[in-house]
Amino acid sequence: DTGVSQDPRHKITKRGQNVTFRCDPISEHNRLYWYRQTLGQGPEFLTYFQNEAQLEKSRLLSDRFSAERPKGSFSTLEIQRTEQGDSAMYLCASSLTGGMGEKLFFGSGTQLSVL
Amino acid sequence: TQLLEQSPQFLSIQEGENLTVYCNSSSVFSSLQWYRQEPGEGPVLLVTVVTGGEVKKLKRLTFQFGDARKDSSLHITAAQPGDTGLYLCAGATGGGFKTIFGAGTRLFVKA
Repeated sequence: DTGVSQDPRHKITKRGQNVTFRCDPISEHNRLYWYRQTLGQGPEFLTYFQNEAQLEKSRLLSDRFSAERPKGSFSTLEIQRTEQGDSAMYLCASSLTGGMGEKLFFGSGTQLSVL
Repeated sequence: TQLLEQSPQFLSIQEGENLTVYCNSSSVFSSLQWYRQEPGEGPVLLVTVVTGGEVKKLKRLTFQFGDARKDSSLHITAAQPGDTGLYLCAGATGGGFKTIFGAGTRLFVKA
């Protein structure tokens, strides 16, 4: 049983550089979410896809952030011109439409440190 | 703005004690979930509750959804060191499109 996979697990970058993260969801799941989590806080919603369509994007997300999910399979999250405030754990989750209640399956996350 | 408030924020207890953590909101949720997260890992789903007043048990853990579907509680009986972790409640809005999380309760169980 293959769970949600995220790559890389850790990323250290210098301020101003661009970074890209990848998420491979559980294969039969049609929904994919990106969250950001800082120390001592719960995950903060960033964006959500149903298949290849990006249905919602948090107003907290600046124009430097962009996410794609081509062909409704894996997803990428890109941060341009990184800032120190972008340092956080970036979590990806997937779920399957239907059933009683939402059930999100998370990857292990990508820990980003911006120096 | 929908917010989920969790209390307490931090709890340190001895092995064998019982505890309850709470999750409250002014908003109604179509479903509510509890997750457990360990350092450096993603949250892992423990339970989903859907019906107001619903009670679910998972071994020593008892989850309750409020009648009005605005709040929930998690009760742990005879806590063990292996229960240590961050407990997060999360609520899905009517369409289930966006799941929002509380800030979590960090539990530490001492042997």
